[in-house]
Amino acid sequence: DQQVKQNSPSLSVQEGRISILNCDYTNSMFDYFLWYKKYPAEGPTFLISISSIKDKNEDGRFTVFLNKSAKHLSLHIVPSQPGDSAVYFCAASVEYNNNDMRFGAGTRLTVKP
Amino acid sequence: NAGVMQNPRHLVRRRGQEARLRCSPMKGHSHVYWYRQLPEEGLKFMVYLQKENIIDESGMPKERFSAEFPKEGPSILRIQQVVRGDSAAYFCASSPALGRNTDTQYFGPGTRLTVL
Repeated sequence: DQQVKQNSPSLSVQEGRISILNCDYTNSMFDYFLWYKKYPAEGPTFLISISSIKDKNEDGRFTVFLNKSAKHLSLHIVPSQPGDSAVYFCAASVEYNNNDMRFGAGTRLTVKP
Repeated sequence: NAGVMQNPRHLVRRRGQEARLRCSPMKGHSHVYWYRQLPEEGLKFMVYLQKENIIDESGMPKERFSAEFPKEGPSILRIQQVVRGDSAAYFCASSPALGRNTDTQYFGPGTRLTVL
């Protein structure tokens, strides 16, 4: 049961431009969403999160947007840098039971110089 | 302050053998989570443990898989009689406590298990 979906396995962007990574979910009970970034041979590292009471959360170059009615969230990176090249995982949880995070399959972002 | 440590980083086993994966949480963390990432798939929650207790094992296969987090020493994920389908990357994460924010889970580098 794929409750969290990242339909784009890969994305290529030019340095300095905006990267937009998308994520859809099916479980309406999810109320907390996270993005993780993963480099090869390393574990995922937390990037940014958003609670369902918000529709936007910004941290430097990273902004996450949440559209609850569409069950869709997106991560915007602007401006994109070559060091942003990594696999990005979207994750969701029901906050009261947050040990069971559901992850998407990931999107591999390549930022070209 | 060392991060979450996992060993071995790579493990090769033949079908029918046992695999033991170890995870040492960050200092001061008493909660451990195990995830599995199959090829082309996202991370899938397997089990959540506190010291000497399994809190939630709803994501763990009922047979051949077990996990423990003893009072002393690392958390162990044990897979008995491995099959080729067990080949995956296994990630461990730790957190200081079960807080309201899941972003407090810190991940280890993972163990890549290959079953021949």
